[in-house]
Amino acid sequence: DAKTTQPPSMDCAEGRAANLPCNHSTISGNEYVYWYRQIHSQGPQYIIHGLKNNETNEMASLIITEDRKSSTLILPHATLRDTAVYYCIVRAPQGGSEKLVFGKGTKLTVNP
Amino acid sequence: DAGVTQSPTHLIKTRGQHVTLRCSPISGHKSVSWYQQVLGQGPQFIFQYYEKEERGRGNFPDRFSARQFPNYSSELNVNALLLGDSALYLCASSSTGAGNTIYFGEGSWLTVV
Repeated sequence: DAKTTQPPSMDCAEGRAANLPCNHSTISGNEYVYWYRQIHSQGPQYIIHGLKNNETNEMASLIITEDRKSSTLILPHATLRDTAVYYCIVRAPQGGSEKLVFGKGTKLTVNP
Repeated sequence: DAGVTQSPTHLIKTRGQHVTLRCSPISGHKSVSWYQQVLGQGPQFIFQYYEKEERGRGNFPDRFSARQFPNYSSELNVNALLLGDSALYLCASSSTGAGNTIYFGEGSWLTVV
């Protein structure tokens, strides 16, 4: 089972910041938080990941709370092309396992 | 650089038939994983291979098998196809190391009729 909880859907106005929350209250000390998104009928696209510190790349920012029990993915200026299902995944780097456990994700709709 | 490539992109099979799906990982990536995504759900882990050895297996029947070749490409085989095997099959590749990034291909759409 997925170790994360996300709202099933969210709306955002084009040009505004989209803030997608994720709860992972049972996260362990060595587990990373990964974010992927999936646009209809396409493969999941990697967005960002982090362990403890906040992370930023050209796509988004990841804010992880100090207790690491929740995180927020921020798309600073959402566009219509950001409409997708966003998955928050907790993953342990154990024994070379690459298994990702996907939940149901958040369906983000960016409106004009 | 090319990303993860999968073939075929779409295919239709009849119940009871066999299917082989292929995946080429990103250059330099030695780990390949396979996922199944049925309509309306998130991807589910099927297999992971690293250096031609199975590193992980999800909760799928023995009809599902896979292998990895010396060039790190991989095949997913499904025997005795059922209607419920209709899904998007995704391949992912990665380099090794804690906190590494896993990249997905665009998938192979399988329809079983």
